[in-house]
Amino acid sequence: DAGITQSPRHKVTETGTPVTLRCHQTENHRYMYWYRQDPGHGLRLIHYSYGVKDTDKGEVSDGYSVSRSKTEDFLLTLESATSSQTSVYFCAIQGAAYEQYFGPGTRLTVT
Amino acid sequence: GDSVTQMEGPVTLSEEAFLTINCTYTATGYPSLFWYVQYPGEGLQLLLKATKADDKGSNKGFEATYRKETTSFHLEKGSVQVSDSAVYFCALGVGDTGGFKTIFGAGTRLFVKA
Repeated sequence: DAGITQSPRHKVTETGTPVTLRCHQTENHRYMYWYRQDPGHGLRLIHYSYGVKDTDKGEVSDGYSVSRSKTEDFLLTLESATSSQTSVYFCAIQGAAYEQYFGPGTRLTVT
Repeated sequence: GDSVTQMEGPVTLSEEAFLTINCTYTATGYPSLFWYVQYPGEGLQLLLKATKADDKGSNKGFEATYRKETTSFHLEKGSVQVSDSAVYFCALGVGDTGGFKTIFGAGTRLFVKA
């Protein structure tokens, strides 16, 4: 258990509203990641962080921003939610052997 | 670029059958290779890993061998159980400018019938 929690676990929001998802870890890992998982697309990287205030884009970063002001928290913000952002969002941290440990996921529905 | 290709599912087996899920990769460097498993409603969990050629990763009866000559990392289990029903993801990890990146295959869904 890598001590990763995500909140909220489920959210329904309307098109055009901003949404923030939170990932919290308890083990001081440097690298944290946000993915989305969609049928037919597998797991796709949105953004990642390699330290406090150090972030970079993944392959599907448009419409998303992130922030990391503390080692333990990595926030994902949908600036103006669209129906195409309906998905399951997973946070992950990187372990010592480059393996990844995942949180339980957030199911987001944009209506 | 770096990529992972795994066999399409779903794969349906009877309990105690032999399982193989094929995975091949393309990488410019020297990747580490992983298998992850996802049970319904949960996040991915690391199943096994191998960090260099000819390494064999194993866990819970599952095995996979890092074959550099065939760029493959096939997952095998000698006797599957109903509880093995899940989605299995092959992945590779390589060093990148921002640290280390992991690339996932599309996943293979396994159904095991009693």
